[in-house]
Amino acid sequence: AQKVTQAQTEISVVEKEDVTLDCVYETRDTTYYLFWYKQPPSGELVFLIRRNSFDEQNEISGRYSWNFQKSTSSFNFTITASQVVDSAVYFCALSEARNNAGNMLTFGGGTRLMVKP
Amino acid sequence: GAVVSQHPSRVICKSGTSVKIECRSLDFQATTMFWYRQFPKQSLMLMATSNEGSKATYEQGVEKDKFLINHASLTLSTLTVTSAHPEDSSFYICSAREGQANYEQYFGPGTRLTVT
Repeated sequence: AQKVTQAQTEISVVEKEDVTLDCVYETRDTTYYLFWYKQPPSGELVFLIRRNSFDEQNEISGRYSWNFQKSTSSFNFTITASQVVDSAVYFCALSEARNNAGNMLTFGGGTRLMVKP
Repeated sequence: GAVVSQHPSRVICKSGTSVKIECRSLDFQATTMFWYRQFPKQSLMLMATSNEGSKATYEQGVEKDKFLINHASLTLSTLTVTSAHPEDSSFYICSAREGQANYEQYFGPGTRLTVT
């Protein structure tokens, strides 16, 4: 069974601070995908990144960066120089093949990030 | 590309009535659609997976007779909450995937259901 754990339920930072959101996953598959989504107050999920299990290269996209460590089963997300608009709930998710019925996506519990001006 | 819409975005209904929520893939054919439920300040929980033309597969603990899912075409899936009760009030989100080999799911904007 797959599982995603986001130990931080809420984080509060002051604008311009850097913040890292942790994500630890469990899976028996050797092939899987990891995702991060942002959910602003409007509720719509915003896709941020997808990373497959064979690609451990870190990725940077503007103020966002991701650190994938297979050895520790972690896929952490860092926001540099946070802004008020970054305030949202962030979900880490894992997708692995399940039978032939398709791939199910398991979400972590989410981390609520509050960036104060 | 890869846009998924949901209708309605918000609905309020009385206890005992049924509510239908539509999920549409606007610019691609969705072989598989997923329905999630999200209670306030909680994560998304998968309710069911539906493949076009076949019966939905429900997750453990989800009543198939209460949450009717129909995926009659490659661009439309519907979720009907039958005999709704206040505890069914939640945020319902659908997602769609194009093709079996594609791990990417595209999410709809969600439907907030309030049962009074």
